[in-house]
Amino acid sequence: NAGVTQTPKFQVLKTGQSMTLQCAQDMNHEYMSWYRQDPGMGLRLIHYSVGAGITDQGEVPNGYNVSRSTTEDFPLRLLSAAPSQTSVYFCASSLGLAGEETQYFGPGTRLLVL
Amino acid sequence: AQSVAQPEDQVNVAEGNPLTVKCTYSVSGNPYLFWYVQYPNRGLQFLLKYITGDNLVKGSYGFEAEFNKSQTSFHLKKPSALVSDSALYFCAVIGENFNKFYFGSGTKLNVKP
Repeated sequence: NAGVTQTPKFQVLKTGQSMTLQCAQDMNHEYMSWYRQDPGMGLRLIHYSVGAGITDQGEVPNGYNVSRSTTEDFPLRLLSAAPSQTSVYFCASSLGLAGEETQYFGPGTRLLVL
Repeated sequence: AQSVAQPEDQVNVAEGNPLTVKCTYSVSGNPYLFWYVQYPNRGLQFLLKYITGDNLVKGSYGFEAEFNKSQTSFHLKKPSALVSDSALYFCAVIGENFNKFYFGSGTKLNVKP
């Protein structure tokens, strides 16, 4: 198993540009989520999904969109990038609901918005 | 609202000494608590979790954590630190709807030879 994969590893955007961060898992996990990591703030949940076709907002959803058309993929879209979205983004997945299941994290995407 | 707090930004210990990384929580209902570790330029890795049962939870790499309900704490411990334990450690709690993780701000552990 490849586990949780994320692409790209690093991206530079200009303010106002849009892009999609890709996340895929091959473990048949139902629960997937996106976090951003900023210094001194830990990880904050952006969006999550409990299965194909079902998504919901986390703590900091503004400026981001998600969709879950398949169990394997959970892309994160930045509609109009802003410097405040400069961060490291992590995708995670787990077998079931987050309640008792261990989450597996991808290697992260570093995003710089100029 | 559910939350966790990690009061120390950084913890420094000498190799071979015991280490403690502190975490306190605030939840409504029974807490589901987790510890994760992050090595440089890597994603987070699961260390251990407390759902129910014994207050002392054992996890990966010789780490353990003690759940203390009266003090609302879930401190991470290891009897003898290794230089390779140097990393960023995150405490996390499950939200009351069991769909969201809430992470602490992280504690950087430095183990010196």
